[in-house]
Amino acid sequence: QKEVEQDPGPLSVPEGAIVSLNCTYSNSAFQYFMWYRQYSRKGPELLMYTYSSGNKEDGRFTAQVDKSSKYISLFIRDSQPSDSATYLCAMGLTGAGSYQLTFGKGTKLSVIP
Amino acid sequence: DADVTQTPRNRITKTGKRIMLECSQTKGHDRMYWYRQDPGLGLRLIYYSFDVKDINKGEISDGYSVSRQAQAKFSLSLESAIPNQTALYFCATSDPRAGNQPQHFGDGTRLSIL
Repeated sequence: QKEVEQDPGPLSVPEGAIVSLNCTYSNSAFQYFMWYRQYSRKGPELLMYTYSSGNKEDGRFTAQVDKSSKYISLFIRDSQPSDSATYLCAMGLTGAGSYQLTFGKGTKLSVIP
Repeated sequence: DADVTQTPRNRITKTGKRIMLECSQTKGHDRMYWYRQDPGLGLRLIYYSFDVKDINKGEISDGYSVSRQAQAKFSLSLESAIPNQTALYFCATSDPRAGNQPQHFGDGTRLSIL
């Protein structure tokens, strides 16, 4: 089993829809969880990060972490064509002398006007 | 000007050549990272540096080396390029006060090795 699993899509939704993006992971030691957005020919852009289970909201975006199920989600409300991008989940841990950050492969999202 | 600048943006070269990719940042961050991105494999960490005197290998450091010339500059070298190093390379920075994750990425260097 890979450490981080993310459905690559593509996912196509109409404008205004609620989008749900998901990742599962196998390493229970992961301490922090992120979502990045990547537009074509651009570097990833950090959208959300959290250290705990539960929900974190920022505008139209909500990140959800369930450590007991090893599952994270990103919800986008009232999706816009400008949300069309590839979304990457990432999970990390830092310890004495160690650092690990593992990315999912990304889900390509298209929001159709 | 971009906060994280990578040069060159595109490079085509031949097997066996030495290549250097450069990264400079104006964020004032101590932490810098090099990643490569391949279709179907996602982003993978090559090297990271938590300050000028600290260099650490990531998960795929074989065939690569780095130099942290200053807080603002972190370069990645391929001593003898091979075709399976063809990929999109990203530099990133982070401020540990804002978390342990890379926060600012450059726009990448697309490297093709023939």
